[in-house]
Amino acid sequence: KQEVTQIPAALSVPEGENLVLNCSFTDSAIYNLQWFRQDPGKGLTSLLLIQSSQREQTSGRLNASLDKSSGRSTLYIAASQPGDSATYLCAVRPHNNNDMRFGAGTRLTVKP
Amino acid sequence: DTAVSQTPKYLVTQMGNDKSIKCEQNLGHDTMYWYKQDSKKFLKIMFSYNNKELIINETVPNRFSPKSPDKAHLNLHINSLELGDSAVYFCASREQGGAPQHFGDGTRLSIL
Repeated sequence: KQEVTQIPAALSVPEGENLVLNCSFTDSAIYNLQWFRQDPGKGLTSLLLIQSSQREQTSGRLNASLDKSSGRSTLYIAASQPGDSATYLCAVRPHNNNDMRFGAGTRLTVKP
Repeated sequence: DTAVSQTPKYLVTQMGNDKSIKCEQNLGHDTMYWYKQDSKKFLKIMFSYNNKELIINETVPNRFSPKSPDKAHLNLHINSLELGDSAVYFCASREQGGAPQHFGDGTRLSIL
């Protein structure tokens, strides 16, 4: 059964720093991987979706990479801003399955 | 023009009651989901509906029943509410294939 782990559980950085959030999954046979952002009391906002055939996706200051063979994905945030403060969730969709498995998230705080 | 909308946003009720949470998506998506996010912020899938057909039921108690009157709606009905049902419930939808999931803002259910 697919398990998704995110490290660290919480991260606090000063504004302007570049940072990396990590996601690992136990079964490399995935259909795609999605990074979400969740603000307190809000739903999930999709940030980036990487299909199994892709190695990375970029959107603005965000870059997500995927290494299926090692069961890892990273979310890179460049020049962090206080508005980036939120919980970031990684979710894996197993191959040929509708189910998505979520990690527990990384709570990011960017200090002004 | 909210894409995935849930009502109510907050629901406070007593143990033993029956309640429903409604979800509507105006994206024309084929698949809808219900997730439960517990106090530790861990998201777990409960149900998935594709063209009115239940695809996934992740060992959810039969007190929970999804009802889909049409492709744009997936409501969640809960019978005989228990204290452990207190959580935030998220509705989501997705197109066919490898498209990303879109989430509603969640319904915070509190059982007294």
